[in-house]
Amino acid sequence: DAGVTQSPTHLIKTRGQQVTLRCSPKSGHDTVSWYQQALGQGPQFIFQYYEEEERQRGNFPDRFSGHQFPNYSSELNVNALLLGDSALYLCASSLSRDRNQPQHFGDGTRLSIL
Amino acid sequence: ELKVEQNPLFLSMQEGKNYTIYCNYSTTSDRLYWYRQDPGKSLESLFVLLSNGAVKQEGRLMASLDTKARLSTLHITAAVHDLSATYFCAVDPGSSNTGKLIFGQGTTLQVKP
Repeated sequence: DAGVTQSPTHLIKTRGQQVTLRCSPKSGHDTVSWYQQALGQGPQFIFQYYEEEERQRGNFPDRFSGHQFPNYSSELNVNALLLGDSALYLCASSLSRDRNQPQHFGDGTRLSIL
Repeated sequence: ELKVEQNPLFLSMQEGKNYTIYCNYSTTSDRLYWYRQDPGKSLESLFVLLSNGAVKQEGRLMASLDTKARLSTLHITAAVHDLSATYFCAVDPGSSNTGKLIFGQGTTLQVKP
């Protein structure tokens, strides 16, 4: 049973560039959430996708956008990268109709901005 | 805005000792999660606490939830080196499961032999 998978594992970009991160949810899950984890901090909620729509959003600028595909996989796009965007980006999946289970996290994408 | 605060942020303890990590949150919630993160790794779910007075135990870890006090505790009994990790509590704000988790800063636990 495959868990949450994310790609790539590491990425180096320069300021002003754009990046796309990818996530495949755990088998059977239909909801994907994205989090940003700065070094030494707890994860911060970016947004959540369900039924191919953004359902909730945290306090992140419009430079952060996403997409969910019919197979429930998801992408996170960040435009006009800033040095402060350097972080571990975590994808988590869950099943919408089983609200008593925790979100399952992937191993993350480590994004470094030079 | 919901705030989640953990203390202590860093805990160094000897093997065999007991200790408690505290998680306070600022607004109503009846859904709290504990996760473990090893260095360079992802988050592993430990406990899901869904109601006031909920208590769950797994091995040397026991978690509890007091929604009236807006407090959860993670108690470590007779610590062993394998428990060394960072522990996060996370709250789903409001009275329904939104899936928008608000995390604490994390407590880094170091268990010394």
